[in-house]
Amino acid sequence: DQQVKQNSPSLSVQEGRISILNCDYTNSMFDYFLWYKKYPAEGPTFLISISSIKDKNEDGRFTVFLNKSAKHLSLHIVPSQPGDSAVYFCAASVAGANSKLTFGKGITLSVRP
Amino acid sequence: NAGVTQTPKFRVLKTGQSMTLLCAQDMNHEYMYWYRQDPGMGLRLIHYSVGEGTTAKGEVPDGYNVSRLKKQNFLLGLESAAPSQTSVYFCASSYEASGRGTGELFFGEGSRLTVL
Repeated sequence: DQQVKQNSPSLSVQEGRISILNCDYTNSMFDYFLWYKKYPAEGPTFLISISSIKDKNEDGRFTVFLNKSAKHLSLHIVPSQPGDSAVYFCAASVAGANSKLTFGKGITLSVRP
Repeated sequence: NAGVTQTPKFRVLKTGQSMTLLCAQDMNHEYMYWYRQDPGMGLRLIHYSVGEGTTAKGEVPDGYNVSRLKKQNFLLGLESAAPSQTSVYFCASSYEASGRGTGELFFGEGSRLTVL
């Protein structure tokens, strides 16, 4: 049973436009959400996070929105750049000492010059 | 500053052979994790550790064993490799559980394992 779902496997956008990457979750106990970015032949790197007490977190070109009632979060990248082309993973966790991150399957973003 | 280092980077095994993947971190992190990445499956947690001398099962632990004898090292072992274990393996570490608070797991570059 997949608890974190990234239903769109890929997204292609024009340079300079907005990229919107979506993520849905089923476990209502999740209270901390993160986005990771992965380039080929490299390990994932942390991008941005949000706690369930917030509905928005912004870091430069990246903004994450959380809609708890819909169990949905999205990552907005504005403006998109060719260097943003990568796989983006959504992840979530439940509070606790043995907390573990549950990842989605990832979305491949391609930004066209 | 090395961060998280995985060895080996690549390995080809025959079915039934055994091997150990080594993960070393130099950030004095308590928490360490082993994930596998397969096409269309995302990152799945195999085993994790919440501190030296501790290990726990993740989502897909079958066929793997782990040990955390030293705080900085987390070993992943395959006792009898199977073709289904062909994958890219990532080790990660964090200061807090699941990177909460700091929001970050630090990942190694990955180890590509092929089982024939």
